[in-house]
Amino acid sequence: NAGVTQTPKFQVLKTGQSMTLQCAQDMNHNSMYWYRQDPGMGLRLIYYSASEGTTDKGEVPNGYNVSRLNKREFSLRLESAAPSQTSVYFCAIELDRQGAYTGELFFGEGSRLTVL
Amino acid sequence: GIQVEQSPPDLILQEGANSTLRCNFSDSVNNLQWFHQNPWGQLINLFYIPSGTKQNGRLSATTVATERYSLLYISSSQTTDSGVYFCAPRGDNNDMRFGAGTRLTVKP
Repeated sequence: NAGVTQTPKFQVLKTGQSMTLQCAQDMNHNSMYWYRQDPGMGLRLIYYSASEGTTDKGEVPNGYNVSRLNKREFSLRLESAAPSQTSVYFCAIELDRQGAYTGELFFGEGSRLTVL
Repeated sequence: GIQVEQSPPDLILQEGANSTLRCNFSDSVNNLQWFHQNPWGQLINLFYIPSGTKQNGRLSATTVATERYSLLYISSSQTTDSGVYFCAPRGDNNDMRFGAGTRLTVKP
């Protein structure tokens, strides 16, 4: 998993509850990403962070907030969970080489979220 | 965003057979990755291949960016190759888009 740790690995929520998915890297890469994967589909980008303190929306940001308070951690928050947010969530880092972005992503093992 | 089409959607092989997976994309790209998602859901990097050809053991990949496609070749397939293969091209706007994947089943 290239040093990308996601917690929790599994979570069940009721509609309207809130929760935060945590992602931490043990390296020093600048860019971090959150994706979701629905059954039978590829991954879709929710938010990304090109550097500490910056975040940008991806393809499907509605219903989510993110926070990049330091270089190591990137969290994804669901303020009021909905059944449509039942999915597997993946965090990824973008490999830096000598301070330059490479465009190559490495993924964590995923967090499976079920909203009832 | 970039539109990505992978084919075939499903592929069943006998162990030892060869296969070619295709990825077509709609716009110019800065880079492209191939991933294997194993039956446990882990995403494993196979290739980072914005252009040209790379080989890693029984797997190789070719990207022809000017013609907007990439190919993944699997030779002498093994049961451990089963899973879903995704290609993910990335355009100028930092947006990496995934295809729907090719689900490969290798039978012993």
